[in-house]
Amino acid sequence: EPEVTQTPSHQVTQMGQEVILRCVPISNHLYFYWYRQILGQKVEFLVSFYNNEISEKSEIFDDQFSVERPDGSNFTLKIRSTKLEDSAMYFCASSGWTGLSEQYFGPGTRLTVT
Amino acid sequence: DAKTTQPPSMDCAEGRAANLPCNHSTISGNEYVYWYRQIHSQGPQYIIHGLKNNETNEMASLIITEDRKSSTLILPHATLRDTAVYYCIVCPVEGAQKLVFGQGTRLTINP
Repeated sequence: EPEVTQTPSHQVTQMGQEVILRCVPISNHLYFYWYRQILGQKVEFLVSFYNNEISEKSEIFDDQFSVERPDGSNFTLKIRSTKLEDSAMYFCASSGWTGLSEQYFGPGTRLTVT
Repeated sequence: DAKTTQPPSMDCAEGRAANLPCNHSTISGNEYVYWYRQIHSQGPQYIIHGLKNNETNEMASLIITEDRKSSTLILPHATLRDTAVYYCIVCPVEGAQKLVFGQGTRLTINP
């Protein structure tokens, strides 16, 4: 069964450093998403991406964040200058032919900023 | 903010049906009801969705009231592996979906 994969599973970085979180969505999907979950809190939407552009972004997704689909398979989330409060689990998701389709989530990347 | 209300926790005996309620009294005509679950700290997992008719798949059944203001997710024969946080989410039909997760219901299946 196709699945969304994410790398790395755990990333430790120092405050102020740039990080890139990588995702490989399901191959024929058209819609891509990033969510995050701070430990013990709700899953929060960050950004949706369709047709090579951002469809919607949340207040969390400020100019320190960016997304890219550099090739036909990868979808990345970059945080330019990490803060302590960026420590969270980051989930990538993808959905199929329409925005109505269910989203399939990856296993997540745990980002720890020290 | 989430537009749904769910009980924070529920217990169910293994092998019994688990019935998880959700209130979405402000749902609009172009919004579907989706259910996802999160097992421990894994990525959320899609379960089922519906508009106004009852739906069933291999995982669960979804019962939506006629006025669409509430719904119930039914896991017909709960197993220990169904222990998870269950989220009821309303989402518009059009465009890329932004899933707004609430606190969900923490369902514990007891042996």
